[in-house]
Amino acid sequence: AQSVTQLGSHVSVSEGALVLLRCNYSSSVPPYLFWYVQYPNQGLQLLLKYTTGATLVKGINGFEAEFKKSETSFHLTKPSAHMSDAAEYFCAVSERYDMRFGAGTRLTVKP
Amino acid sequence: ETGVTQTPRHLVMGMTNKKSLKCEQHLGHNAMYWYKQSAKKPLELMFVYNFKEQTENNSVPSRFSPECPNSSHLFLHLHTLQPEDSALYLCASSQLSGGFGEKLFFGSGTQLSVL
Repeated sequence: AQSVTQLGSHVSVSEGALVLLRCNYSSSVPPYLFWYVQYPNQGLQLLLKYTTGATLVKGINGFEAEFKKSETSFHLTKPSAHMSDAAEYFCAVSERYDMRFGAGTRLTVKP
Repeated sequence: ETGVTQTPRHLVMGMTNKKSLKCEQHLGHNAMYWYKQSAKKPLELMFVYNFKEQTENNSVPSRFSPECPNSSHLFLHLHTLQPEDSALYLCASSQLSGGFGEKLFFGSGTQLSVL
């Protein structure tokens, strides 16, 4: 069965600094990979997804992620953090309708 | 805008109570899901309904009983819950066509506290 592991339950960066949130996956078939964001008191929103094709995926709010099959990774990055990026971020892998989520990484942005 | 509405937003219940969570999606999707979100744990998939038929039940205790009367509505009936069932319960929907890689649209969740 597929699974994802998010490295680091909490990441803190300064405003304007690079954001790097790490995700490694395990899947028996070519994976479909996702990053979701959850703001306080809200449900999850899709940031970006990888299915097939280009390995660098661009999402909303300036985020992007790169699929690296050799490293079984799908790390999320943003060149310059903004205060509004503070939230919980979830990596997920999908096989049909069974979408499996990581434990989440809480991003804090310091002024 | 998520198009998925959950009620109530907050629910406090005793262990002997019976209550129901409601979810409605306005996106024309054909699949609906219940997830449980507990602190410091990955989201747990509880139930999946595809075209009103339950296609997934992830070993969920029988004190949780889902109901999907049509493709737009999903309920989670709660009975004789335990304190460890306290969590955020999220409803989601998606459009399945062949199954793979379909993104989920989530509601804001119901924060459940069992006393």
